[in-house]
Amino acid sequence: GAGVSQTPSNKVTEKGKYVELRCDPISGHTALYWYRQSLGQGPEFLIYFQGTGAADDSGLPNDRFFAVRPEGSVSTLKIQRTERGDSAVYLCASSLAGGGNEQFFGPGTRLTVL
Amino acid sequence: QQQVKQSPQSLIVQKGGISIINCAYENTAFDYFPWYQQFPGKGPALLIAIRPDVSEKKEGRFTISFNKSAKQFSLHIMDSQPGDSATYFCAARGAQKLVFGQGTRLTINP
Repeated sequence: GAGVSQTPSNKVTEKGKYVELRCDPISGHTALYWYRQSLGQGPEFLIYFQGTGAADDSGLPNDRFFAVRPEGSVSTLKIQRTERGDSAVYLCASSLAGGGNEQFFGPGTRLTVL
Repeated sequence: QQQVKQSPQSLIVQKGGISIINCAYENTAFDYFPWYQQFPGKGPALLIAIRPDVSEKKEGRFTISFNKSAKQFSLHIMDSQPGDSATYFCAARGAQKLVFGQGTRLTINP
């Protein structure tokens, strides 16, 4: 089966614009995670979905960031009024339920805000 | 308390040697400690993981040593190969989410 896929692979936008990043988890995985990885750093947690609901959004840096998972499968991370500091690789991961299951990561979306 | 500190930042090892990467944590509520390997342009991939009730886990050339009292754990790569050249991240799980170390860029010289 296919792994976690993310689109687009690269996104270049201008400061102040709105962007959407998409994640397709592994089929059957009910838990979905978003992380952000800045250059030369480890991934940082943003938000965790169990099914359709956000179980933990404590990592979202501010209210410009929002994520949805309306049908419990595909998720979209939305960033409003982008800033240069939002430039990073946004990683999505999925797992079977939550708890003690391995998180499988996608290749990420590299976001560049000019 | 949510930090995981990783060292060294970079490491160069000769082919056939042992690569050792160390991590330390503070939060005793962490319940799972994975190591991820990441190649440029790719997402992290799970290499090996351990739970805090075990002191050592070995899978092929990769071994995790875990010291619960010291709140430290390490990755040992035996017989290091050029294909092992990558960035390695330790992580710790708490409340379903992973907290990652800063990463170690490992280079294996042929």
